[in-house]
Amino acid sequence: AQTVTQSQPEMSVQEAETVTLSCTYDTSESDYYLFWYKQPPSRQMILVIRQEAYKQQNATENRFSVNFQKAAKSFSLKISDSQLGDAAMYFCAYRTTYTGTASKLTFGTGTRLQVTL
Amino acid sequence: SQTIHQWPATLVQPVGSPLSLECTVEGTSNPNLYWYRQAAGRGLQLLFYSVGIGQISSEVPQNLSASRPQDRQFILSSKKLLLSDSGFYLCAWSPGPQPQHFGDGTRLSIL
Repeated sequence: AQTVTQSQPEMSVQEAETVTLSCTYDTSESDYYLFWYKQPPSRQMILVIRQEAYKQQNATENRFSVNFQKAAKSFSLKISDSQLGDAAMYFCAYRTTYTGTASKLTFGTGTRLQVTL
Repeated sequence: SQTIHQWPATLVQPVGSPLSLECTVEGTSNPNLYWYRQAAGRGLQLLFYSVGIGQISSEVPQNLSASRPQDRQFILSSKKLLLSDSGFYLCAWSPGPQPQHFGDGTRLSIL
């Protein structure tokens, strides 16, 4: 079974600075998807960024980018030019590409990001 | 565009009472549907998923059940709630092998 580990329960960053959230995972599959979701205080789950394992290029979405190290099974999220609105819980998630399992997600335990002035 | 509705937003129930949480999706057909639970300070745990009407898969043994009476309707139920059923429940959908989209969640408190 796949597992996802987020070893940083809490992180803090100053506004306009850069922060990196860590995520490691364990799988025996060679092709899969990885995601970062954001959960603000409103509790809504918002997709931040996705990465397909067969793509070597790291995904980027505006101020959000990932460092995908497939051999190391590492998938970190970098937030540049941090804003107050980035304060939230961030969850790393794994999904197999095997369509027979209805694209189930396995989540890490989350990292709470605080953004300070 | 597709939207997902989940209700109620907040629910307070006594131990031993029944439960029914409803989730509906609009703007798509034959979505994959999911129920997750998030305990306080914890990550999301997948409870049930469904790939079609009447097709329910359970991920963990528990006091809850799920049903899908219509293509875009997913219901989470319990006959008798336990204190351990407290938490934040999230419904999600995905159009096949695509990222999941989540509802706004239901905060369930058991007294």
